[in-house]
Amino acid sequence: AQSVSQHNHHVILSEAASLELGCNYSYGGTVNLFWYVQYPGQHLQLLLKYFSGDPLVKGIKGFEAEFIKSKFSFNLRKPSVQWSDTAEYFCAVNAGYGGATNKLIFGTGTLLAVQP
Amino acid sequence: DSGVTQTPKHLITATGQRVTLRCSPRSGDLSVYWYQQSLDQGLQFLIQYYNGEERAKGNILERFSAQQFPDLHSELNLSSLELGDSALYFCASSLRGSGRKGDTGELFFGEGSRLTVL
Repeated sequence: AQSVSQHNHHVILSEAASLELGCNYSYGGTVNLFWYVQYPGQHLQLLLKYFSGDPLVKGIKGFEAEFIKSKFSFNLRKPSVQWSDTAEYFCAVNAGYGGATNKLIFGTGTLLAVQP
Repeated sequence: DSGVTQTPKHLITATGQRVTLRCSPRSGDLSVYWYQQSLDQGLQFLIQYYNGEERAKGNILERFSAQQFPDLHSELNLSSLELGDSALYFCASSLRGSGRKGDTGELFFGEGSRLTVL
């Protein structure tokens, strides 16, 4: 079965620090990969997604992620975080692209706290 | 605003009771997904419907059931509620299966229904 691992459960950074959140998935076939963000009290919103092509994907609010197929990884990065980036970040994989279902399997999430 | 509407936003009920959560997908989306988010389990996929039919099933308890109606809205029914059912229940929708080009497989989430069982 597909699974997603997020190794950092809780990250605390100061403003302007660089961010990298790890995400690894287990699936040997074609995958679509996503990062979603959940701000306090809000619903999940898409940050960025990867389907094919350039493995370096740029998303909203200055976030980017790199797909490394050989490492089954899709790490999220941001060069300089802001207080407003405080949120929970979820990595997700869709291993059923083109098939009967495109349900997403989510990682356990990483809670990011940015200190001003 | 994702375009996915969920009601009610908050619900407090007692153990043993039954509740119904409602979801209206984005206009044009045929698939609806239900997820449960709790502190100890994270985001768990429950069930997916596509155009009225069950398409995929996840970790959904037998006490829970769902359906998707002809107008594509969906309801999640939770019965014989237990304290451990307290969670945030998200609905999401997507185009997938519609045959339209440009369906990226992205799920659009509603704001969730927070269920508290006392």
